[in-house]
Amino acid sequence: QKEVEQDPGPLSVPEGAIVSLNCTYSNSAFQYFMWYRQYSRKGPELLMYTYSSGNKEDGRFTAQVDKSSKYISLFIRDSQPSDSATYLCAMRNNNAGNMLTFGGGTRLMVKP
Amino acid sequence: DTGVSQDPRHKITKRGQNVTFRCDPISEHNRLYWYRQTLGQGPEFLTYFQNEAQLEKSRLLSDRFSAERPKGSFSTLEIQRTEQGDSAMYLCASSPIKGGSTGELFFGEGSRLTVL
Repeated sequence: QKEVEQDPGPLSVPEGAIVSLNCTYSNSAFQYFMWYRQYSRKGPELLMYTYSSGNKEDGRFTAQVDKSSKYISLFIRDSQPSDSATYLCAMRNNNAGNMLTFGGGTRLMVKP
Repeated sequence: DTGVSQDPRHKITKRGQNVTFRCDPISEHNRLYWYRQTLGQGPEFLTYFQNEAQLEKSRLLSDRFSAERPKGSFSTLEIQRTEQGDSAMYLCASSPIKGGSTGELFFGEGSRLTVL
C-alpha cells in the first residue's frame, strides 16, 4: 500500500462547478501538506501548502487538512477549462529531511 | 527566463547506453532536487543537494545512477547502462532554504527518457 493514495480519475465536470479533490495518507508523521498542479508535458507547480490541520483559502482554491482522519482536500470553486490538469497532493515529514511524498495525481477535465 | 531549466527535454537511447541530464536551478536557490515520474504516477524522490553537498539519496537511486552538483550551481544526473525500466520523466526542482522547509519546490519541465 502506498503512503499517499489519490484517485487517478479522470474527473470530468462542467465549467463553473465546484471540484473536490482528495488524498488519504498512512504516515501520521506528515506535517506539511501541498497541492501541485501539473499540465501535460510540464513540471508540477505549487498551488497551496498548509502546515498541520486546518483550512487555507487562496482565491478560488481552498485546501483542508484533517490529520485525525489522515485526509486532505482541495476545493476549486467556479472551475474553468484552464483548470484542466493533473492535481498532485504532496506531503512532508519534518523528521525525514526534505523529501516530498506525492500522491499519484488526479486528472481533472473542466468542460466548457 | 529565470525558472528551472532542464536539458535535454527528450532523450531516446538504446538499452545499455549511458545518458546524462542537466539541470540549471533558479540562481538564488541553494537546494536542488531530482525526482522521477512515470506515466500516471506522482513524482518519486531521487536525491537532494544543499549547495554542492548531496545530503539525501533515495533507495530508488541504484548504483547505476549518479548525481553531482559541482560548485553548488547546475546539477547533472547520469544513468549508466540504461534499462527499459529507466524510461520516465526526470524532474529537477530547486528551492531556497525557507521554501524547502515548506515544500515550495520550483520544478523544471523535465527531461523525458525513452529506453528502447
